[in-house]
Amino acid sequence: EADIYQTPRYLVIGTGKKITLECSQTMGHDKMYWYQQDPGMELHLIHYSYGVNSTEKGDLSSESTVSRIRTEHFPLTLESARPSHTSQYLCASSEEGQGRKLFFGSGTQLSVL
Amino acid sequence: GENVEQHPSTLSVQEGDSAVIKCTYSDSASNYFPWYKQELGKRPQLIIDIRSNVGEKKDQRIAVTLNKTAKHFSLHITETQPEDSAVYFCAASSQGGKLIFGQGTELSVKP
Repeated sequence: EADIYQTPRYLVIGTGKKITLECSQTMGHDKMYWYQQDPGMELHLIHYSYGVNSTEKGDLSSESTVSRIRTEHFPLTLESARPSHTSQYLCASSEEGQGRKLFFGSGTQLSVL
Repeated sequence: GENVEQHPSTLSVQEGDSAVIKCTYSDSASNYFPWYKQELGKRPQLIIDIRSNVGEKKDQRIAVTLNKTAKHFSLHITETQPEDSAVYFCAASSQGGKLIFGQGTELSVKP
């Protein structure tokens, strides 16, 4: 079934660790996004990509980085995690063009101790 | 860039009553306005959307209205039910198609 997958679902790590949050979609979408969300709060766009080798920073400044080497894969990396990075990270994808429905993954809840 | 303001932040209604959530946007070039529902611990799901060439759209108990001149749009839920309880987010699509979300409204429907 076509979907967007995120792993891990939950992650608890210590300060200073390097982590990568995985996101893969089988929807065949060109556009992919990363949003950061505290529980029940606003979704902040931190990264987006319109295709392979294309990445842009979103409206909320983030110390994370992303890569888009394959259409279906859009991982997010934190080189040195800090407690301020504790949040939920939601990956999403959409079809090409403006005004397209956004499909979200189940999210990764990150806790940095 | 686009900025979306959403009100109220919390809304409590009795089952069967109507609920209205309002959003304003800043970028007059935005032309796509979706609404997402997020239940506790789950991913946001699209419930209805409207494009700028339409003033109103309805889907069963849910309707959305758009006023391009005033740059605001609203979500209307009639005959609310307990399963409508969730956080609702409005959004606007700015240049390039990226979605900018409002702050969210936590709706509680009391039986």
